[in-house]
Amino acid sequence: KNEVEQSPQNLTAQEGEFITINCSYSVGISALHWLQQHPGGGIVSLFMLSSGKKKHGRLIATINIQEKHSSLHITASHPRDSAVYICAATRNTGNQFYFGTGTSLTVIP
Amino acid sequence: SQTIHQWPATLVQPVGSPLSLECTVEGTSNPNLYWYRQAAGRGLQLLFYSVGIGQISSEVPQNLSASRPQDRQFILSSKKLLLSDSGFYLCAWSRGAHQPQHFGDGTRLSIL
Repeated sequence: KNEVEQSPQNLTAQEGEFITINCSYSVGISALHWLQQHPGGGIVSLFMLSSGKKKHGRLIATINIQEKHSSLHITASHPRDSAVYICAATRNTGNQFYFGTGTSLTVIP
Repeated sequence: SQTIHQWPATLVQPVGSPLSLECTVEGTSNPNLYWYRQAAGRGLQLLFYSVGIGQISSEVPQNLSASRPQDRQFILSSKKLLLSDSGFYLCAWSRGAHQPQHFGDGTRLSIL
């Protein structure tokens, strides 16, 4: 069993829909990261959070430490949001990353 | 501003040949540096990280090694590549532990 599990694996949405991607982890963590990987392979760090909620534009990330669960929400989805979204957890040293296998999102115009 | 350079973008190598992938960071000092591999259809896996010159931590025993000869240079090497070394290799940097990571564009390595 992976330390970090993501769902769903694949997601197709119509433009404008509200999207939720879930991440559960089984290890004690110091922070939870959400990454976006574009079709060419490049990766961008979206959020790093250890409690509560963060918002950046149409993206919102939340974390519930007690339930060991995080969600990434995309409001008013757009085809340019199509990418693989990866959840990753860092442990005590802050250098050891545990990655989920990613959620492949396709937003259809 | 900080930038990270990784090359080459793609590489095709025969089994048994050596490997050297280079990553350099500009615009920051004493970054933490990381090498990741993403095998086809699988998630990212941390291979090595470095918190300073000459300091390398290996996360997964394997056919690869890493070196940090200069503050902002991180090199991934192999003496003899295996078929299983194929994958997408990403370099990343951060200001320190518990900090967001910034990724290079990656190297797609195919072993024939």
